[in-house]
Parts: sequence; structure tokens; C-alpha cells
Amino acid sequence: NAGVTQTPKFQVLKTGQSMTLQCAQDMNHEYMSWYRQDPGMGLRLIHYSVGAGITDQGEVPNGYNVSRSTTEDFPLRLLSAAPSQTSVYFCASSYATGTAYGYTFGSGTRLTVV
Amino acid sequence: ILNVEQSPQSLHVQEGDSTNFTCSFPSSNFYALHWYRWETAKSPEALFVMTLNGDEKKKGRISATLNTKEGYSYLYIKGSQPEDSATYLCARNTGNQFYFGTGTSLTVIP
Repeated sequence: NAGVTQTPKFQVLKTGQSMTLQCAQDMNHEYMSWYRQDPGMGLRLIHYSVGAGITDQGEVPNGYNVSRSTTEDFPLRLLSAAPSQTSVYFCASSYATGTAYGYTFGSGTRLTVV
Repeated sequence: ILNVEQSPQSLHVQEGDSTNFTCSFPSSNFYALHWYRWETAKSPEALFVMTLNGDEKKKGRISATLNTKEGYSYLYIKGSQPEDSATYLCARNTGNQFYFGTGTSLTVIP
């Protein structure tokens, strides 16, 4: 099983550039989400989706867009990159929302905005 | 923001010692409490999901307890080994959203 696959693993962007971080899972998970991880802070939720065609904002959504056209894919778009978006990004999925299911995390994307 | 707090922030123990650390969370709107193990240069891996007050879960030498009324969970490691060195994250699930703590970094000294 591939699990949750994130690409790219590393990326350097210039301020103002846009890009898409890819996330795909092959476990038929309904719930997918994007987190960013910054030093001294816990994982913070950017956006999440409870199923194809449904997305919602998390704790820190500004500057990011998502879409969920299929169950498998949940790309994260940076519209106009800013140095404050330098971070490590994790995609995670779960069989369902709520109680009994933990996350499966991708391996992360380390993004630097210069 | 519904804060999840973990303590201590970091911990060094000798091989063979037992240890424990705490996750505190608001007790309102509680659905589940998750524990994850996060090794350096890897992604977090799920350890436990607990939903009911008084829940206890165990996996090998690692166990966890949950008190939803007072809003805390303990993670215990018995007879720590160097391979237990990692950051242990807890996360509170309020339905569709997870709120993570900043983790407890455990180093087990051989």
C-alpha cells in the first residue's frame, strides 16, 4: 500500500509565485486534511475535506485554496507565496471523521519561500 | 481556538526507566483523543484513539489513559528503550477538526 503520497518533498519558491502541493491516498479514505508545522507550534489545520466535493477551512486557511474532485486527491494551492508560508506541510487522511479513526500522514513537503 | 497542551515539552530518561507525560485539553465538545508517535524525519504514526472517559489503551510497553471530565490524558512508557526516542503528539478531535498539542520530545539515553 502506498498510503498517503505527497509531492514534492522539497520546494523553494520566490515571493509571489504560486504552486500546488499534491496529496493522494489509495485507502479510500473519506476525510483528508492539510496541516502546516512550524517550530514551537503544533500541527495547525489549514483546510480539510469530509468527502469528494466538500471542503472547509481549518485554523489557518488564508493564502491557501483546496479542492476535492475525487476521493483520492486533495491538492493544496498557494495562490501568491509569502515568506510566512515557509513551513513543513503534511497531508493526512482518515477513514471517516470523528471518533475512532486515527490519521495516516504523508511524508511531508518542506517549503521555503524566499 | 481550543488549546491542547502537553507537558513536559522535553524529557530525557535512561534506558530501562519508565516515564509518563500529560496531554490537557478542554473537556467541552469532546469526541476523541488521539496519540501519535513522531520520529525525526518521518511522519506521525497513530498510537491510540480514545473516546470514552476512563478508556485505557495499551500497545506493547506503551499505554494511555483518558479522563474526559477533567480534560487530560496520560501516556506511559514502561522500561524505555532508545527506539522509543521520538516526539509524542496528542490531538483532540471535536468532530471534523483535530487540534494538536506541540508534543513531548522524549530522548532515551542508552
